[in-house]
Amino acid sequence: GAVVSQHPSWVICKSGTSVKIECRSLDFQATTMFWYRQFPKQSLMLMATSNEGSKATYEQGVEKDKFLINHASLTLSTLTVTSAHPEDSSFYICSAPIGTWVSDTQYFGPGTRLTVL
Amino acid sequence: GIQVEQSPPDLILQEGANSTLRCNFSDSVNNLQWFHQNPWGQLINLFYIPSGTKQNGRLSATTVATERYSLLYISSSQTTDSGVYFCAVVPRAGNNRKLIWGLGTSLAVNP
Repeated sequence: GAVVSQHPSWVICKSGTSVKIECRSLDFQATTMFWYRQFPKQSLMLMATSNEGSKATYEQGVEKDKFLINHASLTLSTLTVTSAHPEDSSFYICSAPIGTWVSDTQYFGPGTRLTVL
Repeated sequence: GIQVEQSPPDLILQEGANSTLRCNFSDSVNNLQWFHQNPWGQLINLFYIPSGTKQNGRLSATTVATERYSLLYISSSQTTDSGVYFCAVVPRAGNNRKLIWGLGTSLAVNP
């Protein structure tokens, strides 16, 4: 089956530092990947759509300068949280779809738990 | 925009019991998926089911697109079924692949 990995699984950093999270599709190519944020006991909130070879599309209210997304290849997308602050602490999850447009199935990475001190 | 409502919000079962989870959506959809998020946060795709009925082991799902709802059935529940079950849809009116998520049903299966 389709496998999506994320690295790191968890990270603790000091306020003001930047953190990079990697999302890889291990056995398929993904021209599109999605980045989500999830707060405890809440649903997933879509942050942005990552597009290979072009700029990411951010959801309303998501700061593109704060959350930098780079889709460098057909199997790798990265999310960089710049100048992280405690309010950025959250569970970040990526996904990649397989299938035809609008009828695809999404596969999720295991998530990255970010804690900013 | 489209609304996705899941019920019940919380559910506690004894091992071996059966349950039905419901997902109502307010507009036509191209895509509907059910996911299970385990206690460690991993999301697993259970079903892609914009219409019709599918079964996979102890789990089955039915979507009645004309009436805008989907049901997820869990039979002979096990403790490993615990976690949160999410329904997510792609609206037909949208021009993208973005999933719109329900708030989930939190399931606890006790031994």
